[in-house]
Amino acid sequence: GAGVSQSPSNKVTEKGKDVELRCDPISGHTALYWYRQRLGQGLEFLIYFQGNSAPDKSGLPSDRFSAERTGESVSTLTIQRTQQEDSAVYLCASSLSGGPSYNEQFFGPGTRLTVL
Amino acid sequence: GENVEQHPSTLSVQEGDSAVIKCTYSDSASNYFPWYKQELGKRPQLIIDIRSNVGEKKDQRIAVTLNKTAKHFSLHITETQPEDSAVYFCAVLIQGAQKLVFGQGTRLTINP
Repeated sequence: GAGVSQSPSNKVTEKGKDVELRCDPISGHTALYWYRQRLGQGLEFLIYFQGNSAPDKSGLPSDRFSAERTGESVSTLTIQRTQQEDSAVYLCASSLSGGPSYNEQFFGPGTRLTVL
Repeated sequence: GENVEQHPSTLSVQEGDSAVIKCTYSDSASNYFPWYKQELGKRPQLIIDIRSNVGEKKDQRIAVTLNKTAKHFSLHITETQPEDSAVYFCAVLIQGAQKLVFGQGTRLTINP
């Protein structure tokens, strides 16, 4: 079946512009995660959605970052007034559930964001 | 919060030899420890995981060992092959929060 998809695959923007990144999780997956991966670095947790519960936003680095998810479908990550340090690959992952029985996260291909 | 340290950051081994990557963590309540492999330009993929109720798990040439007392776990790859070359990330599940904290990664290179 289809895996996690993300769009765009690459995004080049100018400093100060807003960008919107999209994630389509695997159908039926109630949990959705966003991560940031800077060049040569590990995966930095940003935000986690679980069903209709309030999202865990504890990883968002500043108020310029926000994310939304409608139900158990598509999620968008928005970065306002982009800065050069926002340049990174943004990875989305989904899993069957994020409840007590933790399930494997499946990652999307990522969006490579370059801020000039 | 949970702190995950991964070592070494780079590892180069001869084809056929074994590779070991180690991670330490800080929260003794953590009970799930996956390892992800990320090939160049590709997405991370789960290769093996272990829960705290066992000390070792094997899957063909890869194995993971867990020492809960010392709060460390290791990935072992035997009979390494060129296709094992990748970046490997350990992770620890934050208990109750259902999110993973990742190590910084190990770039493994298999020399022919």
